[in-house]
Amino acid sequence: EAQVTQNPRYLITVTGKKLTVTCSQNMNHEYMSWYRQDPGLGLRQIYYSMNVEVTDKGDVPEGYKVSRKEKRNFPLILESPSPNQTSLYFCASSLSSGPAEAFFGQGTRLTVV
Amino acid sequence: GQQLNQSPQSMFIQEGEDVSMNCTSSSIFNTWLWYKQEPGEGPVLLIALYKAGELTSNGRLTAQFGITRKDSFLNISASIPSDVGIYFCAGPANAGKSTFGDGTTLTVKP
Repeated sequence: EAQVTQNPRYLITVTGKKLTVTCSQNMNHEYMSWYRQDPGLGLRQIYYSMNVEVTDKGDVPEGYKVSRKEKRNFPLILESPSPNQTSLYFCASSLSSGPAEAFFGQGTRLTVV
Repeated sequence: GQQLNQSPQSMFIQEGEDVSMNCTSSSIFNTWLWYKQEPGEGPVLLIALYKAGELTSNGRLTAQFGITRKDSFLNISASIPSDVGIYFCAGPANAGKSTFGDGTTLTVKP
């Protein structure tokens, strides 16, 4: 089954404690992206990757890092989480660049206290 | 980044009614996408539009790519309770970047 898998689904952490949210896709897609969703603000793009070892900033990259060492995985790293990073995070992948026909993961709800 | 203005922000309708929502941009888009997000899930693609003036249907859903390439419309006919969710429009901006509208939250009363 074609899918994008994020882990964990829920995470509560404390300010400053480094964390990683994993994302994996099994569709051999070149393009992967991370978004955060906050009430009333829709989906805002954090980082995206058009292929292995190629990553670029989206609209809200501050406080986040990503890596794309292999095609299927695109982890999101918060080196020093802060409460304003409390949000619902989605990973997505697609065959072509941009959101065209993107498949989304089920989301990771992160709370930073 | 570029912004998409999506309206209305929310809708409360009776089962059986038709629904219409739209998305506008100050910039030209070459692709318009409509997604639906159900509670606790990630967005799922409903309809993709690739050509100005294009009208595409998916069951009770119909979407149109505006001829100015700066807007798009999504219509849902004869709504049912399972239509509830948040509907997003989206478009690719610069190569790789993407832009989403703020969403229209639909509530359907049985």
